[in-house]
Order: sequence, then structure tokens, then C-alpha cells
Amino acid sequence: KQEVTQIPAALSVPEGENLVLNCSFTDSAIYNLQWFRQDPGKGLTSLLLIQSSQREQTSGRLNASLDKSSGRSTLYIAASQPGDSATYLCAVRGGSYIPTFGRGTSLIVHP
Amino acid sequence: DVKVTQSSRYLVKRTGEKVFLECVQDMDHENMFWYRQDPGLGLRLIYFSYDVKMKEKGDIPEGYSVSREKKERFSLILESASTNQTSMYLCASRSAGGNYGYTFGSGTRLTVV
Repeated sequence: KQEVTQIPAALSVPEGENLVLNCSFTDSAIYNLQWFRQDPGKGLTSLLLIQSSQREQTSGRLNASLDKSSGRSTLYIAASQPGDSATYLCAVRGGSYIPTFGRGTSLIVHP
Repeated sequence: DVKVTQSSRYLVKRTGEKVFLECVQDMDHENMFWYRQDPGLGLRLIYFSYDVKMKEKGDIPEGYSVSREKKERFSLILESASTNQTSMYLCASRSAGGNYGYTFGSGTRLTVV
């Protein structure tokens, strides 16, 4: 059974820092991995989707990488801003319709 | 862009009431999902549907049922609401053809009193 772990569970950084969020998974037989952002009391917003054949995806200040063989993905946020404060979740899709979610990393960027 | 719309952002219901949570998507997605999210427990799958009139139990189906009579609409039903069903409910959809990602609605915060 796939297990997805996100470390750290919480992170507080000053504005302007570059930071890395981690997502690890136990079964490397995946179709894709998706990063989401969730603001308090809201739904999940998709940030990046990486297919198993890809190594990375970029959107603005966000860059997600995927290393299937080691069961790891990272989400890199450049020049963090207070508006980046949110919970970030990763979801791994294997052979079924059902994704496996991590518990998320709660990020606070303070001015 | 795919839109997944959940009919209510906030709901307050009484114990024992029958509660309907509605979810509608506008991109002809085959797969639809209902999750609940609680602090410290993460996202837990209640039910999913891989196509019209199809439904499968997720990890925590007890106390819930679902209906998918039309492709665009997936309803979650709490047969007799209880206080332990107070939670954030999230609906998601996905196209079955290809390695597409999941699109979530904005969530319904349900409080049962």
C-alpha cells in the first residue's frame, strides 16, 4: 500500500527566502504526482502535475521535481512572500483512480 | 479551466437530519470523489464514482451514501447527521482518459449541532 510522507509538517520562514518542501512515497510505480495548495477553510488548488516520465515542472516561482527511483518529490518556492502562506499537499497516483495524499506542510511566511 | 462547484460553503444542520451535499463539474469528467478533512487526520476518502451510476466505497463510508444519476453531479448524503460528521467536505473530479490530475471544489464546512 502506497504511503506518502511530507516533511516538515510545519515551516516558518522570513519573507524572501527560497524554500524546499519534501514529499516522499514508498511505491515508485506511479503515474503522476500532483502538488496542491490549501488556504485555511478552502478547497485544494492544483499547483503542478508531474507525470512519471518527467523530472520537473515549473510555474512562476514554483518548481517541482520528481525522482521516482528514490520515491521523492520536492516543491521549490523561490523568493517566498507572505501570500505563499498556506498548507501544501502532495498526492501520488498509482495504478488505481484513487490518489494517496500526504498530510501536508503548513507554511508561514512572515514579513 | 475545469470547475468543480460545491453548492454550499457553510452548512449548519441538526442531529438526525438528512443532509445533501451537492457537487457539480463542468468538464465531462468520469471520475468523482468525496473526501472529508479533519485536523490531524488528513484527507479521507468517503466514496468515489468512476462513471455515471457507478459508486465505490472509500475508506470511511459508514453513515454516508452517494448518488450519481448524471455525469456532472455527484451527491453525498448523510442519512442521519451526527455530531461526529462535523467536518470539511471536499469534492474532486478527474478525467479517466489519460494521466490527468484532480480538480477540487472549494469545500463545504458542515457543522452538526
